[in-house]
Amino acid sequence: KNQVEQSPQSLIILEGKNCTLQCNYTVSPFSNLRWYKQDTGRGPVSLTIMTFSENTKSNGRYTATLDADTKQSSLHITASQLSDSASYICVVRGDSNYQLIWGAGTKLIIKP
Amino acid sequence: NAGVTQTPKFQVLKTGQSMTLQCAQDMNHEYMSWYRQDPGMGLRLIHYSVGAGITDQGEVPNGYNVSRSTTEDFPLRLLSAAPSQTSVYFCASSYEKTLGSTGELFFGEGSRLTVL
Repeated sequence: KNQVEQSPQSLIILEGKNCTLQCNYTVSPFSNLRWYKQDTGRGPVSLTIMTFSENTKSNGRYTATLDADTKQSSLHITASQLSDSASYICVVRGDSNYQLIWGAGTKLIIKP
Repeated sequence: NAGVTQTPKFQVLKTGQSMTLQCAQDMNHEYMSWYRQDPGMGLRLIHYSVGAGITDQGEVPNGYNVSRSTTEDFPLRLLSAAPSQTSVYFCASSYEKTLGSTGELFFGEGSRLTVL
């Protein structure tokens, strides 16, 4: 069954610290992997889209990595800010149809 | 810069009532979709459309109808509301129909529906 699992479910860190969020997927065949940021009460916003051939992709203080062999991705946040408090969702598009498979998200709380 | 606009933002219904959630986008996107988001779960696709006049079912289509008469609008109809349809609903659109590597999804702000 195609699944996307994220860990941890929630994470609390101090402002200025770094953190890494994990995503494991069983989707096969694989087309692309996305990370979204969802602020409380808002719609998700795309951070990055990675294809099979991309190992690392950065968007400001956010860096996503992808290991298609082990079916793992991570999102690293550098020098966290209070505005980084949000849910971060990993999403995988398989190669067989147009649909996306969504993880349940990691809730990140940044404390001052 | 309107993007994807959803209305209403909040709605309370009684069991058995019907209603329509509106979604409009001004980016000339061919692909539009409706998701529901429930606590502790990933977003689940209800219906999607790859162009005017074309709609298809997603993962959880039962109890919902859609139509796509124009590129801009993609309303979601609840035929006879049930408490299990209490959720947050998101409309999303994309330039790329197949959601490939350039198929970024743009989301509306959500519609929070409570069915009593």
